[in-house]
Amino acid sequence: DAKTTQPPSMDCAEGRAANLPCNHSTISGNEYVYWYRQIHSQGPQYIIHGLKNNETNEMASLIITEDRKSSTLILPHATLRDTAVYYCIVRVRSGYSTLTFGKGTMLLVSP
Amino acid sequence: DAGVTQSPTHLIKTRGQQVTLRCSPKSGHDTVSWYQQALGQGPQFIFQYYEEEERQRGNFPDRFSGHQFPNYSSELNVNALLLGDSALYLCASSLEGPSGETQYFGPGTRLLVL
Repeated sequence: DAKTTQPPSMDCAEGRAANLPCNHSTISGNEYVYWYRQIHSQGPQYIIHGLKNNETNEMASLIITEDRKSSTLILPHATLRDTAVYYCIVRVRSGYSTLTFGKGTMLLVSP
Repeated sequence: DAGVTQSPTHLIKTRGQQVTLRCSPKSGHDTVSWYQQALGQGPQFIFQYYEEEERQRGNFPDRFSGHQFPNYSSELNVNALLLGDSALYLCASSLEGPSGETQYFGPGTRLLVL
């Protein structure tokens, strides 16, 4: 699976949009971009995934560049409960493919 | 719809002992993966079970073994515990198929080896 690069930490004011970047310049054509987050001492929570089109669900939006070498996870109105470590993972979408976690981005949402 | 559940939530063992952790997958899921997360690190893949067989394995010694039951629940066994086995153990379940495979995690079992 391709590797990803994320900033180690980011800050965001409550109520503002949080934009978390991820670089995956070696991504292959059949690899998807997945985002998970982990609130302290809890299990990782699935957020969203995409291949090449932008995706949106009730939690977040995922913007993937046209060359697929980077993506941005957007939390439109961050709350204090969004404070967590956010992991960007690229993987082939198959049952055989596991998740390779990096260090992620620690997002701190402040009042 | 119950999510992934794990038991126990916390466990304390001493070096050399053996431990068994349990996982019940999300309803309708048939594949279980186990991960180890040391303090301050991202989760590391241990192994995956599908159709009661170990399908994939990460870079973990044979002291780590597992099992999947006909109802898709799974166990992780660790023998001859070392201090370095202290970690959060995570179970993730998914549904095998051409449009599934998103893994959903349980809350984890925190193991402390003294």
